[in-house]
Amino acid sequence: EAGVAQSPRYKIIEKRQSVAFWCNPISGHATLYWYQQILGQGPKLLIQFQNNGVVDDSQLPKDRFSAERLKGVDSTLKIQPAKLEDSAVYLCASSSRAEREKLFFGSGTQLSVL
Amino acid sequence: AQKVTQAQTEISVVEKEDVTLDCVYETRDTTYYLFWYKQPPSGELVFLIRRNSFDEQNEISGRYSWNFQKSTSSFNFTITASQVVDSAVYFCALGGSEKLVFGKGTKLTVNP
Repeated sequence: EAGVAQSPRYKIIEKRQSVAFWCNPISGHATLYWYQQILGQGPKLLIQFQNNGVVDDSQLPKDRFSAERLKGVDSTLKIQPAKLEDSAVYLCASSSRAEREKLFFGSGTQLSVL
Repeated sequence: AQKVTQAQTEISVVEKEDVTLDCVYETRDTTYYLFWYKQPPSGELVFLIRRNSFDEQNEISGRYSWNFQKSTSSFNFTITASQVVDSAVYFCALGGSEKLVFGKGTKLTVNP
């Protein structure tokens, strides 16, 4: 079974630039999550989708971050404009209806904002 | 609010030693879930175990074992006869009525 796919693996941008991350969850998983992991910290939930609807985006900085999950499968997370403090690993995860609490994670996108 | 505390930031052991990673949690939920995830250098978080709040039985899986104690709000993880491949950052997490909350992680280094 294929895991959660994310791209790109690494991204380096300058502050005020825009960047987008892509995630393809495990086939059939209805719930998709984007997490931000700052160096030395645990992952922090940014947004959770159930199919193509947003369940929780309370910790998403909506003035600069946006995410969508069209057709309830792939998802993209965008940052515009990026700030230095956005440097982090962005992890995508998915879970099934049967085991919503068991998350499967991708390898993440490591973002460096200079 | 839910909270997970992993007091040990870094642990270093020699191969074949046993090591215990501590996790203490706070929640007002009566039903909740506790997790351990492993994050190797590759970056991907790997699911190790999920424990429901109403199931306090300890669990053993190979060299891994987990000790869940509701009375002390702890969910500790022990690796027996550690190996170099166990080197990783280990996260404890808590889920319930609120979003899944992770601790800050414990970096385990197993030296040959």
